Amino acid sequence: KNEVEQSPQNLTAQEGEFITINCSYSVGISALHWLQQHPGGGIVSLFMLSSGKKKHGRLIATINIQEKHSSLHITASHPRDSAVYICAVRRAQKLVFGQGTRLTINP
Amino acid sequence: DSGVTQTPKHLITATGQRVTLRCSPRSGDLSVYWYQQSLDQGLQFLIQYYNGEERAKGNILERFSAQQFPDLHSELNLSSLELGDSALYFCASSPRPDNSPLHFGNGTRLTVT
Repeated sequence: KNEVEQSPQNLTAQEGEFITINCSYSVGISALHWLQQHPGGGIVSLFMLSSGKKKHGRLIATINIQEKHSSLHITASHPRDSAVYICAVRRAQKLVFGQGTRLTINP
Repeated sequence: DSGVTQTPKHLITATGQRVTLRCSPRSGDLSVYWYQQSLDQGLQFLIQYYNGEERAKGNILERFSAQQFPDLHSELNLSSLELGDSALYFCASSPRPDNSPLHFGNGTRLTVT
């Protein structure tokens, strides 16, 4: 079992839908990152969380430390949100990555 | 634009060869991280430097080495290349060594033939 599990692995939705991507981890962590990787390959850091909730535009990230679970929500999804979303947890000095969720938003 | 510059963008080389990947961190960032992304393994942490010193080591092969120079740029050296080393190699930087946001470069795509 991977230390970081994401679900779903693939998600296809229609423009405007509310999207939720989940991340569960099995070890103690000091922080959790949500990353976005576009088809061209570049990676953008969306959020870094150690507790609670953060919001940036249409994106919301939450973390529950006791349950070892984080969610990334996208409101009013748009085709430009199509990308791979990667959860990564910081354990000691290292980042451990989930396998990613491939999101496709159709117009 | 993250402010992190990686060169080259693409590299094609043969098995057994040696290559050097270069990373210039975002202005003001002292910490540099190297990651490998392959199709079968996903993203993996290789190594971290902070202000010129090695800070943490991950799944980095003995054939690979890295360093961070006084001007804070970093180089990742890959030698005795094998087909399985074909991957995207990302550099990221952050201001501090612990729990600070990461800024990623656009990656170097290495193809070993």
